[in-house]
Amino acid sequence: GESVGLHLPTLSVQEGDNSIINCAYSNSASDYFIWYKQESGKGPQFIIDIRSNMDKRQGQRVTVLLNKTVKHLSLQIAATQPGDSAVYFCAENIPGGTSYGKLTFGQGTILTVHP
Amino acid sequence: NAGVMQNPRHLVRRRGQEARLRCSPMKGHSHVYWYRQLPEEGLKFMVYLQKENIIDESGMPKERFSAEFPKEGPSILRIQQVVRGDSAAYFCASSPAYGGSYEQYFGPGTRLTVT
Repeated sequence: GESVGLHLPTLSVQEGDNSIINCAYSNSASDYFIWYKQESGKGPQFIIDIRSNMDKRQGQRVTVLLNKTVKHLSLQIAATQPGDSAVYFCAENIPGGTSYGKLTFGQGTILTVHP
Repeated sequence: NAGVMQNPRHLVRRRGQEARLRCSPMKGHSHVYWYRQLPEEGLKFMVYLQKENIIDESGMPKERFSAEFPKEGPSILRIQQVVRGDSAAYFCASSPAYGGSYEQYFGPGTRLTVT
């Protein structure tokens, strides 16, 4: 079946570097994407979202890029800090029927930031 | 503003017992979603509820699992006759009552261990 997946399961960076976490999705009908951060023992924390009619969206230190041509989503974190260490998930919403708001999550990327 | 609340945070049950997981959505939210997360995996959708209605239960096992969101009180995910394979983290998310927003806010989760 169609699903969201990630290219890299782990990413290690030095404090201060920029991080890029990638996500591939296979359902061209997906109209909404979210990035979540999950720290150990906690629930997913909303980072940033983007609708399919946009290519780029910026937040505080984070940018999400959407390339619908190749069905690719990325999360860029500027000046990565040790507190950014966590598992990052992308999630998509596939519209239609009763699936309103039902998110399909990727496997996750473990980001480790070294001081 | 209180976020999504879940209790208990940790639950240990023996095989064959019942597990009841509770979720109180954020204030003003009337949409509730339940997800299950196995170790080192992404979240998997289980069920989507609005007050007194199950909207989408396509991710819920047909047997032993049930969910409700009564007019008053928290949403309940009930697992009867638990088995070891039910051991997982169960997350609840809520979203606002108005349409057009997919943004979901997650609770801290309930970690169920079946011995």
